[in-house]
Amino acid sequence: AQSVTQPDIHITVSEGASLELRCNYSYGATPYLFWYVQSPGQGLQLLLKYFSGDTLVQGIKGFEAEFKRSQSSFNLRKPSVHWSDAAEYFCALRSNDYKLSFGAGTTVTVRA
Amino acid sequence: NAGVTQTPKFQVLKTGQSMTLQCAQDMNHNSMYWYRQDPGMGLRLIYYSASEGTTDKGEVPNGYNVSRLNKREFSLRLESAAPSQTSVYFCAGSPRGGSTGELFFGEGSRLTVL
Repeated sequence: AQSVTQPDIHITVSEGASLELRCNYSYGATPYLFWYVQSPGQGLQLLLKYFSGDTLVQGIKGFEAEFKRSQSSFNLRKPSVHWSDAAEYFCALRSNDYKLSFGAGTTVTVRA
Repeated sequence: NAGVTQTPKFQVLKTGQSMTLQCAQDMNHNSMYWYRQDPGMGLRLIYYSASEGTTDKGEVPNGYNVSRLNKREFSLRLESAAPSQTSVYFCAGSPRGGSTGELFFGEGSRLTVL
């Protein structure tokens, strides 16, 4: 069975500082991985996805993520955060039957 | 183009009452999903419909039923609500049978069961 783990429940970062959110997965085959963002009171929006090929993928809003098979990780990064990046972030894995399994989420707070 | 629309956005029920959450999408998605979101647990799949006319159980189906009325609409029914079903419910759609894995979410329905 697949699983997704986000070790950090809550991260606080200063505006302009870099951000890294961790995601670890367990899956027996080639994973299809995603990062979604949820602003307060909203649904989830896709930031980026990894299917195959280049292990560094670029997404919207200046985010990128790196797939590391040896570490079973798919960490999300942003070089310089903006106040509008305050949100909850979810890592997800797609199984062979096309269902998405989500991690528990990481809440990001941005301080001025 | 509204995307994925859920109704109602808020609902308060008493234990034992029934209700139906409605979801409609205008993005011509083949697959549709119902998730529930609870603090610290992420999103958990309740039911999904890979295509019109099919439905399958997800991770937490107990206490729920679904109907894929047509390609556009996918409803979630609680026959006898329980306090454990207090949650935020999200409907999502996915094109091409969900093959890309990308889901398009509605804004959620917040349900409180007293």
